[in-house]
Amino acid sequence: AQSVSQHNHHVILSEAASLELGCNYSYGGTVNLFWYVQYPGQHLQLLLKYFSGDPLVKGIKGFEAEFIKSKFSFNLRKPSVQWSDTAEYFCAVNARGYQKVTFGTGTKLQVIP
Amino acid sequence: DTAVSQTPKYLVTQMGNDKSIKCEQNLGHDTMYWYKQDSKKFLKIMFSYNNKELIINETVPNRFSPKSPDKAHLNLHINSLELGDSAVYFCASSQVQASEQYFGPGTRLTVT
Repeated sequence: AQSVSQHNHHVILSEAASLELGCNYSYGGTVNLFWYVQYPGQHLQLLLKYFSGDPLVKGIKGFEAEFIKSKFSFNLRKPSVQWSDTAEYFCAVNARGYQKVTFGTGTKLQVIP
Repeated sequence: DTAVSQTPKYLVTQMGNDKSIKCEQNLGHDTMYWYKQDSKKFLKIMFSYNNKELIINETVPNRFSPKSPDKAHLNLHINSLELGDSAVYFCASSQVQASEQYFGPGTRLTVT
């Protein structure tokens, strides 16, 4: 069965600091990977996705993620965060052949001006 | 135009009541989902429909019954509401099963 874990539950950064949020999944086969963002009081929106090809994926708002198959990881990065990046970030995995997308428990990012 | 819409946005009701939440998507997607997000922001899938056919039915009480009259609509009916049902319920849709999903604005259900 597929599962995903996000070890950082709450991250606090100052504006302009660099961001890296961890995401690890457990499934031995081919996976599709996603990062979603939920701004305060809003719905989830897709930040970026990886299905195949270049393991370095660029998304919206300057975010990127790198798929490292050997580490079962799909960490989210941003070189310089802004106050408006304050939100909850969810990693999600779908194992090919499974019908379900499993979400991680989320990481709350708080950016201090 | 709202891609995935839900009504109502807020729902406050008493224990034991029956309530429904409606969801509509205008993206032409084949698959729709219901998720429950608890107070700790944990997002758990409840149901998934593909072209009106039930695909995923997670371990949820049978007080929860989804209905998909057509592939653009997926409603959720909840019988005999309990305190533990209080949560935010999100509807979502995707072009194909388990691909990128578009979420609705959520329905905050409060059971008193």
